Parts: sequence; structure tokens; C-alpha cells
Amino acid sequence: GAVVSQHPSRVICKSGTSVKIECRSLDFQATTMFWYRQFPKQSLMLMATSNEGSKATYEQGVEKDKFLINHASLTLSTLTVTSAHPEDSSFYICSSRAPPLNIQYFGAGTRLSVL
Amino acid sequence: GNSVTQMEGPVTLSEEAFLTINCTYTATGYPSLFWYVQYPGEGLQLLLKATKADDKGSNKGFEATYRKETTSFHLEKGSVQVSDSAVYFCALGEESGGSYIPTFGRGTSLIVHP
Repeated sequence: GAVVSQHPSRVICKSGTSVKIECRSLDFQATTMFWYRQFPKQSLMLMATSNEGSKATYEQGVEKDKFLINHASLTLSTLTVTSAHPEDSSFYICSSRAPPLNIQYFGAGTRLSVL
Repeated sequence: GNSVTQMEGPVTLSEEAFLTINCTYTATGYPSLFWYVQYPGEGLQLLLKATKADDKGSNKGFEATYRKETTSFHLEKGSVQVSDSAVYFCALGEESGGSYIPTFGRGTSLIVHP
């Protein structure tokens, strides 16, 4: 069964609205979670590393004010796409490492479509 | 920087056909190489990996050999099944203390017909 749960799997929203995506680690505590994004026909790219209780670390070119990451507990990280625009339409995936072997598990992804 | 290039899909095969999905990489160091698979509606799962040159990773009938001279890590399977239909991602990562953050390719969709 899934060890990382991501919700929702698909969301369609109007331009200018904000969308929140949740990533939960099941059965283990995750001090670190990762958020990826994939545009059509492009590579799956790391956006940011989410650390429980502290600020996320963003990759170069990713706007931290646009993509708000909150990792308030050891089992939940959220990604909020603020004031979404059509160019933000993409496939977003979260992942987390499970102790003790640090095996990386991935959520099923969220397909965001901004109209 | 590190990057991964894999063949564009979709790859469409009949059941029991031979599969090859090409993957080449660019890396500054000596990364480990991985193949991930994403079945419909599920998260990416590690399929196999190789940690050094000439290593062969294998799992579920799939295999890939780490070729440093050609900077490649092509995925192969001798006889595909309908259940192998999925998206396959090639990735590399620098391992440190058993952990890594993978750099992914774009993914290749495989469709297997009965």
C-alpha cells in the first residue's frame, strides 16, 4: 500500500485563486519532504525541500512567495500555489524518505489545471 | 550540472515483445543511477539501481547496466506484459550516507497491448 498520500489527485481552478496540495507520510515520521514539478514533455524537477519546523529550501528559479510550503508536523507537508495562473498548470509530486534506510517514497501526484 | 535524457514516448509494444528504453546522463561526479516506475494512479517506485560502473541492476525481469563509457543506463526487458504498462523515469543521484536527491528524466510512457 501507499506510504505517501497526496491529495488531491487532480484540481482545476480559476486563474488568480490559490490551491493547496497535501502530502502525508503514512506509517512513518518524515523530517524532510520533497516537492517536484513536471511540465508536459519535460523532466521531473525538484522545486523545494521541506523541513519540519523550519523554512523550506527552494531550488533556483522557484518563487518561494508563489509556492508556499508548510511542514508543520512530521507527517504533513503542504504546497500552496498562490494566485495560480495558467502557466502554473503542471504535475506536482511530493516524496519523503522513510527511516531507517531512507528509502524514498513518492505520492501519486497532483494534476493542476489553471483555467 | 547533472542531467538525464531519456527517449520520448510513448513506447507501444505487443505482449511478449522486447523492451528497450534509452537513458543517457551527464554528471560531474560518480552518481548512482536509477529507474523508477509509476503505475497509473500510484506514486513513483524504485524499480532498480546501479551504484558504480559496470553494475547491473535488475528487478521484475527488468535490467539496466551502468555504462560509464557511453554514460548510459538503458532499461531492458526480454518479454513485456500488459501489467508493465506504466511511466518509467530514469534518474541519477549522488549518494551520501545512504541518502540522495534524484535528478530525473522526463519519463517514458510504455503501453503494452495484449
